[in-house]
Amino acid sequence: DIQLTQSPSFLSASVGDRVTITCRASQGMNNYLAWYQQKPGKAPRLLIYAASTLQSGVPSRFSGSGSGTEFTLTISSLQPEDFATYYCQQLSSYPLTFGGGTQVEIK
Amino acid sequence: QMQLQESGPGLVKPSETLSLTCTVSGGSMNSYYWGWIRQPPGKGLEWIGLIHLSGTTYYNPSLKSRVTMSLHVSENQFSLKLTSVTAADTAVYYCGRRMAVPGGWFDPWGQGTLVTVSS
Repeated sequence: DIQLTQSPSFLSASVGDRVTITCRASQGMNNYLAWYQQKPGKAPRLLIYAASTLQSGVPSRFSGSGSGTEFTLTISSLQPEDFATYYCQQLSSYPLTFGGGTQVEIK
Repeated sequence: QMQLQESGPGLVKPSETLSLTCTVSGGSMNSYYWGWIRQPPGKGLEWIGLIHLSGTTYYNPSLKSRVTMSLHVSENQFSLKLTSVTAADTAVYYCGRRMAVPGGWFDPWGQGTLVTVSS
């Protein structure tokens, strides 16, 4: 199984900050990695797929990068509506797995 | 725009079978995979399984012995059965569509339904 480790698990940031979340895989994988945003009481929302492709309708301040075993999600300028929990998911091999999540809170 | 909606009992007794249905609207079920993901209260996401129109299924090995997924295309639905449930199966259960391409992602998701296992 491919294990995904997200860091940090929690971060406190201010509106306007640049935020980077890392997702490390336990073994090398294709760039079959997705990022989701989840707000309390809501279903996850797809932000990025194939490691770096922005889903339609997602603001351009979100971007994804990486390859092999290390991937990142960057929010270039944090907005009030971005405070949420973010998950990475690998879609390279079964069983599909998720990272443990990164909770982004207001400083 | 395609939408998914989970339905089923919100309370299941220990040792019984959890049964959920996902209804798909706004599009065809063809050419996709259909899946279930769950999230225990306050915890992270866990993939349960996938089913394709061909009948091919993929299950999480941690749940495989207890999971069955089925398609009901004429009704635009697919379903999940999880047997011999315990309190550890208490979670919000989401259904989702997976794109049928290499590395296909999940989008959209249903709103989720909370299932509590308790006597």
